[in-house]
Amino acid sequence: QKEVEQNSGPLSVPEGAIASLNCTYSDRGSQSFFWYRQYSGKSPELIMSIYSNGDKEDGRFTAQLNKASQYVSLLIRDSQPSDSATYLCAVVAGGTSYGKLTFGQGTILTVHP
Amino acid sequence: KAGVTQTPRYLIKTRGQQVTLSCSPISGHRSVSWYQQTPGQGLQFLFEYFSETQRNKGNFPGRFSGRQFSNSRSEMNVSTLELGDSALYLCASSNLADTQYFGPGTRLTVL
Repeated sequence: QKEVEQNSGPLSVPEGAIASLNCTYSDRGSQSFFWYRQYSGKSPELIMSIYSNGDKEDGRFTAQLNKASQYVSLLIRDSQPSDSATYLCAVVAGGTSYGKLTFGQGTILTVHP
Repeated sequence: KAGVTQTPRYLIKTRGQQVTLSCSPISGHRSVSWYQQTPGQGLQFLFEYFSETQRNKGNFPGRFSGRQFSNSRSEMNVSTLELGDSALYLCASSNLADTQYFGPGTRLTVL
């Protein structure tokens, strides 16, 4: 079992729709969770971080964390073509410093006009 | 603040050679981490340095090494290059218990 798994893509949604990206992790002691966006040929850029159970909203983005189910998700409301990118879920495992992120394989999102 | 910078941005080497990549973190950030990104394996953690000490190490062979200087700048070295070392090498910096910010990466091609 991979340490961090993301829902298989690619994911295609129409402009204006909600895109839902999911991620599960195997280490129950994981403490910190991040969503990064990576455009083709570019480096990952941070979208959201979440540390506690529940929802965290930032503009059109909402991160949801459920530690009991070892599940973290990212919702993108009113999706725009500029949101088309690879979305990476990253986790800091228990007993590890913040300098060591474990990434999922990424989900490719395409938002079509 | 200036972001994380990496040099060089592109590099072409042949098998058996060695290579050194450089990373300058965001000002004030003392933790520097290195990652390898390939289409097949995705983003994988190489190592992390904090205050000139390696704090974490990923599951890579000893050909991959790194160091950090007193000004927090970091270098990573790959010796005896193999074709499979072709990848995007990313450096990220953070300020202790904080999120990591990535540099633009160094694209290494091994022929």
